[in-house]
Amino acid sequence: GQNIDQPTEMTATEGAIVQINCTYQTSGFNGLFWYQQHAGEAPTFLSYNVLDGLEEKGRFSSFLSRSKGYSYLLLKELQMKDSASYLCAVMDSNYQLIWGAGTKLIIKP
Amino acid sequence: IAGITQAPTSQILAAGRRMTLRCTQDMRHNAMYWYRQDLGLGLRLIHYSNTAGTTGKGEVPDGYSVSRANTDDFPLTLASAVPSQTSVYFCASSKSNRGPGELFFGEGSRLTVL
Repeated sequence: GQNIDQPTEMTATEGAIVQINCTYQTSGFNGLFWYQQHAGEAPTFLSYNVLDGLEEKGRFSSFLSRSKGYSYLLLKELQMKDSASYLCAVMDSNYQLIWGAGTKLIIKP
Repeated sequence: IAGITQAPTSQILAAGRRMTLRCTQDMRHNAMYWYRQDLGLGLRLIHYSNTAGTTGKGEVPDGYSVSRANTDDFPLTLASAVPSQTSVYFCASSKSNRGPGELFFGEGSRLTVL
């Protein structure tokens, strides 16, 4: 079956760096997405990786290793507003999105 | 309207009643989707439409139906609601109709079936 694994919850300190991991087993691969979802709100797009390597976008970076079925989202200089759930999703060979359950990130002052 | 609008934002419904969740987008996106989000689970696709006039079943289609009469609207109907359909429902759209590119989500409809 298809599976996306992410930690359920993580805690980090304001100003620090945090890495949220995502491992996947899917039928084929056509890209990996990260979305941010604040409590009670809609998910919003953060990043898309289809080739191996690191994609940097401001304070957020996303890494992909297709051979390892692994990605991470790196958040630098954490701010209180970064408290949210982070959703990992993989597009399989049929171009269907398979979603992880999300990682709830708690930022402490 | 800017982006995707869903209605209602919240609804309490008696089991057995019929309910339609509305979704409208003004981005002229080809593809539209309905997801449900439940605690501890990833987003699950209910139905999708790659272009106006076509629809398809997702991972959890039972008990739900959709229509896509035009590009902008994609309503989701629960013919006879059951308590297991209590969830938060998100409508989403994407430019590409060859699998989802970046998805744009509505604000969600919180449905409680008693």
